[in-house]
Amino acid sequence: GAVVSQHPSRVICKSGTSVKIECRSLDFQATTMFWYRQFPKQSLMLMATSNEGSKATYEQGVEKDKFLINHASLTLSTLTVTSAHPEDSSFYICSARVSGTYEQYFGPGTRLTVT
Amino acid sequence: GNSVTQMEGPVTLSEEAFLTINCTYTATGYPSLFWYVQYPGEGLQLLLKATKADDKGSNKGFEATYRKETTSFHLEKGSVQVSDSAVYFCALTTLSTGANSKLTFGKGITLSVRP
Repeated sequence: GAVVSQHPSRVICKSGTSVKIECRSLDFQATTMFWYRQFPKQSLMLMATSNEGSKATYEQGVEKDKFLINHASLTLSTLTVTSAHPEDSSFYICSARVSGTYEQYFGPGTRLTVT
Repeated sequence: GNSVTQMEGPVTLSEEAFLTINCTYTATGYPSLFWYVQYPGEGLQLLLKATKADDKGSNKGFEATYRKETTSFHLEKGSVQVSDSAVYFCALTTLSTGANSKLTFGKGITLSVRP
C-alpha cells in the first residue's frame, strides 16, 4: 500500500517549451502533496505544497508563474515547468501525505533535462 | 525554526561492518523523526520512524532511537550489506495532522558498502 507514481520518469525538452509532470497516489487519497527539487548529491528542496481543490503554497524563492501546480483530485497533482531553461534541469520528486496522518510517501522522481 | 544536521559523508564500509550515521535536530514543539533511504535514480523510501521520546524505530535491520535529551536520532545497523548502499536522509516534522506536514531534511549521506 501507499504507492505514489510519477510520470514521466525521464523527459528531455528544448529550451522555451513547457513540461508537465504528474504525481499520483495509487491506493490512497492524498489531500496534500508536496513537490521537491533535488540537485546532484544534495538534499531535497521543498518547492511547494499542493492542497486538493485550492491554490498551492510556494516556498520562498520559488517562482509560482514558472512552476505551475494543480491538484485537481485527491489522487493527482501536476507540476508544469513553463518556458523551461537549462537551469531548470533537475530531479523532481513528489510526495503524498496520507489524509489524517503525518506520513508522506514519495514518488520515484522525474529527471528533467532541458537542452 | 526546524533543522536537521547529519554527519558529513560519504561513508564507505566493508560488508558486515557496523554502521552508525549521526543525526541531530532542533525543533519547535515535539517533532516526529524519520529516516529515509534513496537508492540510485529513485525517489525516497521511508526506512523507519519514531514519534515520541525514547521510541525506537526499526526496519530491515536498521534501528534509531528518539533521544530527546540529546536531540538525536542516530541510525545504526549491526551488519551492513552491499545492497544497503544508498543515500540516507534524516528528517523531521512538527505538525502531525495539520494541513502542511512539511518535512525538514538533513543533507543526506552516501553509504557505499564494499563486498
